[in-house]
Amino acid sequence: QSALTQPPSASGSPGQSVTISCTGTSSDVGAYNYVSWYQQHPGKAPKLMIYEVSKRPSGVPDRFSGSKSGNTASLTVSGLQAEDEAAYYCNSYAGSNNLWVFGGGTKLTVL
Amino acid sequence: EVQLVESGGGLVQPGGSLRLSCAASGFTVNTNYMSWVRQAPGKGLEWVSIIYSGGSTSYADSVKGRFTISRDNSKNTLFLQMNSLRADDTAVYYCVRGRSGYYYDYWGQGTLVTVSS
Repeated sequence: QSALTQPPSASGSPGQSVTISCTGTSSDVGAYNYVSWYQQHPGKAPKLMIYEVSKRPSGVPDRFSGSKSGNTASLTVSGLQAEDEAAYYCNSYAGSNNLWVFGGGTKLTVL
Repeated sequence: EVQLVESGGGLVQPGGSLRLSCAASGFTVNTNYMSWVRQAPGKGLEWVSIIYSGGSTSYADSVKGRFTISRDNSKNTLFLQMNSLRADDTAVYYCVRGRSGYYYDYWGQGTLVTVSS
């Protein structure tokens, strides 16, 4: 059950766009369209931002979008705002044996 | 309104046991799949265990044979029995509701488990 690979940090200025990558394998990210993304502010529980690669739950701003190509999924945050500063984790279903695997997390800083 | 409230965390010695509870409201635990996800201090998220609506269960390799997930439908509560605890089990444990698209839409506030002598 190896973790998905995310960059440890990302940054952007207010109003800019930033993309966070999440690299897995042909057994998880590449095999299923079941990638989700979670936002976590310090001391808080994670919050679902994207599910099934590119779907947004009700209440999540459309500034957040997801995509996938091969074994790599991506989260893009457009029009960065101060409140977007948080850690972001990707997650993928990995089949009936390994089930779920998370990325190591990316700390997004709004400059 | 969906709510998940964990309890039962605390300080325990290595080799000890602890039972976590997660009281659910706004939905019924036996019609969804429920999981435990943990986060060691300053670290990332780690999936721990799942119980499906039909009652079958599965575990991460790191806890297999030591942890047991269960639920009480009458109390609408999820449990995690943790035995033979080790220092590397120290973490905040989150109770989460899973959806059919293999994602987690509701998270509890978490309960801290510290394994230390």
